[in-house]
Amino acid sequence: EPEVTQTPSHQVTQMGQEVILRCVPISNHLYFYWYRQILGQKVEFLVSFYNNEISEKSEIFDDQFSVERPDGSNFTLKIRSTKLEDSAMYFCASSVQGGLLETQYFGPGTRLLVL
Amino acid sequence: EDQVTQSPEALRLQEGESSSLNCSYTVSGLRGLFWYRQDPGKGPEFLFTLYSAGEEKEKERLKATLTKKESFLHITAPKPEDSATYLCAVKSTPLVFGKGTRLSVIA
Repeated sequence: EPEVTQTPSHQVTQMGQEVILRCVPISNHLYFYWYRQILGQKVEFLVSFYNNEISEKSEIFDDQFSVERPDGSNFTLKIRSTKLEDSAMYFCASSVQGGLLETQYFGPGTRLLVL
Repeated sequence: EDQVTQSPEALRLQEGESSSLNCSYTVSGLRGLFWYRQDPGKGPEFLFTLYSAGEEKEKERLKATLTKKESFLHITAPKPEDSATYLCAVKSTPLVFGKGTRLSVIA
């Protein structure tokens, strides 16, 4: 069964460093998403991406964040200058399309720890 | 503002003891209600999508129902492997999650 994959599974970085989180969405999906979950809190939407551009973003997704689909299979989230409060699980998700086919399938997550 | 509230926060059941989890929501325009299961340290695993009031979906020991203001996830005769956090999310713009119900099933 096709699934969303994410690398790395764990990332430890120093405050102020740049990190890139990688995702491979399900192959026939067209919509891609990033979410985060701070320990013990809700899963929170960050950004959605369709047709090589951001379709929607939350207040959390400020100028420190960017997303890219560098090739036909990868989808990345970059945090330019990490802060302590960026420590969280980051989930990538994908869906076939919007409407009735917009069920989002999630990857296993990347646990980011900023020291 | 779209809101999703799940109750109870935690539920402890004996194996075989059926129960229900609640998800109440307020959204400006519901485009779907989703149930996910999340195991510790893992990503949410899709269970069900419900689109209209009165709709029901079943999968093994789980059944999800939807009304205009809430959804229920019924667990019939649960087993220890059903222990997880169950998340409810609504699709308005964007996908909004509740905090989840942490279910523990004791053998």
